[in-house]
Amino acid sequence: AQTVTQSQPEMSVQEAETVTLSCTYDTSESDYYLFWYKQPPSRQMILVIRQEAYKQQNATENRFSVNFQKAAKSFSLKISDSQLGDAAMYFCAYRSPGGGSNYKLTFGKGTLLTVNP
Amino acid sequence: KAGVTQTPRYLIKTRGQQVTLSCSPISGHRSVSWYQQTPGQGLQFLFEYFSETQRNKGNFPGRFSGRQFSNSRSEMNVSTLELGDSALYLCASSPHVGGQYFGPGTRLTVL
Repeated sequence: AQTVTQSQPEMSVQEAETVTLSCTYDTSESDYYLFWYKQPPSRQMILVIRQEAYKQQNATENRFSVNFQKAAKSFSLKISDSQLGDAAMYFCAYRSPGGGSNYKLTFGKGTLLTVNP
Repeated sequence: KAGVTQTPRYLIKTRGQQVTLSCSPISGHRSVSWYQQTPGQGLQFLFEYFSETQRNKGNFPGRFSGRQFSNSRSEMNVSTLELGDSALYLCASSPHVGGQYFGPGTRLTVL
């Protein structure tokens, strides 16, 4: 079974600074998907960024980018120019390949990000 | 497109009762998954439905069940509620490829 580990329960960053959230995973599969989700307090989960394991290029979405190290099974999220609205719980998630029968996400425990003005 | 909607948003039940939660996926999404979120266990996968068929099931007792209708709307049912069933229940819908898109959740409190 796949596992996802987020070793930082809490992180804080100053507004406008850069922060990196860590995620490692364990799998025997060679192809898979990785995601970062953001869950603001009392608000719904939002998909931030996704990475397909077969792609070597790291995914980027505006101020959010990932550092995907397949051999090390590491998938960190970098948030640049942090904004107050980035404050949230961030979850790293893994999904097996195969599309049709594998829409199950395995989540890490989350990292609570605080943004200080 | 409208997002994933879940009803009701909040529920309070007592032990032994049963509850039904509803989820309407994003238009065109045929896969609907359910997750339970608690402070202690985090996010745990319950089950996934595609075209009215359960394709995947997590490690939950048989008291947790679900179904999907022909219009892709899904319901989950929890029978004989226990205190430990208090949680945020999240529904997510998926296109054929890509990530899952979550609804706002139903907050269930069991007294």
